Formats: sequence, structure tokens, C-alpha cells
Amino acid sequence: GAGVSQSPSNKVTEKGKDVELRCDPISGHTALYWYRQSLGQGLEFLIYFQGNSAPDKSGLPSDRFSAERTGGSVSTLTIQRTQQEDSAVYLCASSPLPVQGYGYTFGSGTRLTVV
Amino acid sequence: AQSVTQLDSQVPVFEEAPVELRCNYSSSVSVYLFWYVQYPNQGLQLLLKYLSGSTLVKGINGFEAEFNKSQTSFHLRKPSVHISDTAEYFCAVSDSSASKIIFGSGTRLSIRP
Repeated sequence: GAGVSQSPSNKVTEKGKDVELRCDPISGHTALYWYRQSLGQGLEFLIYFQGNSAPDKSGLPSDRFSAERTGGSVSTLTIQRTQQEDSAVYLCASSPLPVQGYGYTFGSGTRLTVV
Repeated sequence: AQSVTQLDSQVPVFEEAPVELRCNYSSSVSVYLFWYVQYPNQGLQLLLKYLSGSTLVKGINGFEAEFNKSQTSFHLRKPSVHISDTAEYFCAVSDSSASKIIFGSGTRLSIRP
């Protein structure tokens, strides 16, 4: 498609369960980012993938969070043993390089609710 | 390290009135600046960006922003707002050495009829 696609758009899960969030970036975009947006908060950087380089995981809040990007395209963000504080909108963005020249293109996000 | 400060968390204005959303940044090197808009229940959309050249940048939907290096500001303006401009606006910064963009905490613009 023409944009960044995220699925599911909404996810309700029970505390302690694992969840997987998917991001399909724009074809040809080398860089892929995950951000988290909690209610009333700004965007919190989670992780960054660039081509075949090692990802920048410096924003992951705990070891319950992990992400991978297969074949330089689709990315999956996994949250294990979900907690209520994980409830947020998870945004994926992609960009050509250099990112400064283009800015990000964001997906519509996945709203995660942990009950 | 880069950072962005959006001085107002909420800005209420009347329809057809002008608006200015304030943004200040800190960076030790040349910067690239962005404004994004997030309409209710949607992702973020690029409104405009400053890379170099003219300090007055025009974006979509009649918005513009002015880069002021001496004041380290990149304020967003619109001369006359519409109900459809109701959204959250994020200022963001990057620099030539960075691999990602740093976002401010956002300003919620609410338009009163």
C-alpha cells in the first residue's frame, strides 16, 4: 500500500498475556521506528531499525519488550507478560534516509488496552 | 543532546481567530525542525519541515512556521483557524548526526465556534 500499515488497530488483552503488534512500512523505506504514546503524553521512542544494522533498542522500557524486523520490511513489536501501564497507542513510522531530509511517515497506530 | 519544549499543553481559540503554537528547541549543532499534526484517533501527519534556506516555512492547511536561530524557536502560526484544525500538534527536532527525531510533548488546539 501507499502508507504505513499497522495491525491490529485495537487490542484488548488481559494482564499477564503476551501481545504482538505488526507494522508494514512503506516499500523502500530503510528506516523503521516504534514509538509509544500514552494518554496525555508525548511520543516515547522505543526502537529503531535501519537496513541490516543492529537496531537501536535504547528506548525499550523493560526486557518484556522486544522487536524484530524481517527481511528489512515488516516489523513486529512483542510485549510479554503485559501490565496495565503498557496500555497506550503504539505508533510505527518509516522513512527513507537520511531521516532528517524526509521526516517520518506514521501509521495510524495500535491502541493497546491491558485489563 | 537535543530536546524540544512546547510551552503550552492546551490552546483554546475562537474560530477564525489567529493562533500561534510555541516551540523551543535545544541542540548544539545545525538542526532540522518539524511540526506534525494528529487528528483525533489518527496517526501523526507531517505539517511542515525546516531543513535549510528561508526561515519562513509554509505547510499544509494554511499553517506556517518561522525558524529563529537566535531564540532557538520554531513557532507554528495560522492567521485564521477553522473547526477542522482541532487536533494535537507536535514539534520535533533532529540534527545531522542523529538517527531519529525527538518530539515535544504536544499542544492540544481546541477551536470554539
